[in-house]
Amino acid sequence: EPEVTQTPSHQVTQMGQEVILRCVPISNHLYFYWYRQILGQKVEFLVSFYNNEISEKSEIFDDQFSVERPDGSNFTLKIRSTKLEDSAMYFCASSTGTGTQTTYEQYFGPGTRLTVT
Amino acid sequence: GESVGLHLPTLSVQEGDNSIINCAYSNSASDYFIWYKQESGKGPQFIIDIRSNMDKRQGQRVTVLLNKTVKHLSLQIAATQPGDSAVYFCAESPKAAGNKLTFGGGTRVLVKP
Repeated sequence: EPEVTQTPSHQVTQMGQEVILRCVPISNHLYFYWYRQILGQKVEFLVSFYNNEISEKSEIFDDQFSVERPDGSNFTLKIRSTKLEDSAMYFCASSTGTGTQTTYEQYFGPGTRLTVT
Repeated sequence: GESVGLHLPTLSVQEGDNSIINCAYSNSASDYFIWYKQESGKGPQFIIDIRSNMDKRQGQRVTVLLNKTVKHLSLQIAATQPGDSAVYFCAESPKAAGNKLTFGGGTRVLVKP
């Protein structure tokens, strides 16, 4: 069964450093997302991406964040200068939708735990 | 300030009994609702979804009920098994594919053998 994969599973970085979190969405999916979950809290939307551009972003997704689909398979989230409060689990998700075959289901990856020290 | 962990409501259920998990949503424009299961250290796993033009949908051992009048969503799990122990989140989206999901606070289900 196809699945979303994410690397690394755990990333430790120092405050102020740049990090890139990587995701490989399901191959025939068109919509890509990043969510985060601070320990013990609910899952929060960060950004959605379609047709090589951001379609929606939350207030959390400020100028320190960026996303990119550098090739036909990867989808990345970059945090330019990490802060302590960026420590969280980051989930990538993807979904498909095209014309009358539109489906809504977002499939989530296993997450990358980001620890900022 | 320091983040405070979310206090999750917990549902303890005997193995073999039925479970009912409830969720209230606030956005009357939401068109699509989903239940996700999250096990410790893993990403949310899709369970079942429902569109706003329906009030009930059944899957394998699970049923989702939607009451748009009172903005209430529930998940029923039949014959709960130990593998059902997890945190369950409802999520909503205002329209079709490509939209963000807004997650609820979650309910922890503990299945007692």
